[in-house]
Order: sequence, then C-alpha cells, then structure tokens
Amino acid sequence: DVKVTQSSRYLVKRTGEKVFLECVQDMDHENMFWYRQDPGLGLRLIYFSYDVKMKEKGDIPEGYSVSREKKERFSLILESASTNQTSMYLCASSSGRGMSYNEQFFGPGTRLTVL
Amino acid sequence: KQEVTQIPAALSVPEGENLVLNCSFTDSAIYNLQWFRQDPGKGLTSLLLIQSSQREQTSGRLNASLDKSSGRSTLYIAASQPGDSATYLCAVRRGSYIPTFGRGTSLIVHP
Repeated sequence: DVKVTQSSRYLVKRTGEKVFLECVQDMDHENMFWYRQDPGLGLRLIYFSYDVKMKEKGDIPEGYSVSREKKERFSLILESASTNQTSMYLCASSSGRGMSYNEQFFGPGTRLTVL
Repeated sequence: KQEVTQIPAALSVPEGENLVLNCSFTDSAIYNLQWFRQDPGKGLTSLLLIQSSQREQTSGRLNASLDKSSGRSTLYIAASQPGDSATYLCAVRRGSYIPTFGRGTSLIVHP
C-alpha cells in the first residue's frame, strides 16, 4: 500500500515563527502536492512538485515556500507564520510523468494553529 | 476554468439504504475523475479512480460511473452502513497536474 506520512498531526506555533511541515512518501512517486483545507473553502493547492528540485505554484502560494531535495520528501515552509495560516494541511503524492499522472494518495494531515 | 459541484451537500439516511452521490463538472475534456472519502479531522482516502476512457469502476459496495458528455459522475453506495459516514469528495483532472475538487457531500448513516 502507498503510504504518505506527515511529520506532525497537530502543531501549535506563534505568529512570526518559521514553520516546517514535512511529508514523506514511500512509493517512489514523481509528483507531490501540498494543500490546505478550510471550512467553506474546500481544498486549495499551495504548491506541487513533479520532480526533485522542481516546484510549481498552486492557487495560494503567498506566504509559503517548498523544498524537494529528495524524491520521497516534500517540505512546506511558512516563512513567518500568521494567524490566517491556521488550517489543516494535507500532503499528497501520485505517480506519472507529464500529463499522465494517476491516482492521488493523501497523508493524514497536520492541523496547524498559529497563535 | 473547471468547476466541480457536489449535490447534495449533506445527506442523512438509515442503515441499509442504497444511495447515490453526485459530482458535476463544467468542462467535459477531462483526463480522469477520482472519488475520496474523508473522516473528520483526517486525510483523504482514495476510493475509486475513473480514467476518461472508462464508464465505471467498482470496489466492493461502491460503484462510480462517469458520463463525460453530460459532465457527471455518480458514486453509488450499496447497503449503506454506519461506518460509511464521512465526507465524500470528487476531484476532476482536466489536463494539468492540478485536480479540481468539489466541496464534498457529508454523509451520515444512522443505525
């Protein structure tokens, strides 16, 4: 079975802190994604990566950056956390190159609270 | 821009009923459509993936159909159980890496 793991289930940080969210997948997938999920707004894509060291902005990249130094690991970075970044963060991965990527598999999520 | 709508937003049924969840999309030129379930406070679990060339997929008590021409997919759940209670989301991928998600249908199956 594909497994996508996220470093924390719950995280509480203070405004202005630098926050790292880690995601690891064990199926050698090329593509990895970071979403946030908020009530009433659904899932929104922050960033995705289709290869090591490659990244593309999603719908809401402002205030975030990402890093993919190894194929299995995709990190989301909040440079200076703000209260409006309190949310559920979901990581996903999928196989496939170019336009033919397949089924997405999600991690368990990280509930981040910024005070 | 692709828009994905799921109706109804919420559904409450007694145990044992067969039910249908709907997913509509505005652009029929899709690559695939995926159904997920999400339990409260958890991540998404993949249920079924239908490629654009397929009409349906089945897994256990779940059956998903796809009608690209009308921009619709349905998820059929047979003999519903309390353990099926969750939010069900569909995601449509048109031609980029980025799928478009619906807002989901929140299902409660009561004993």
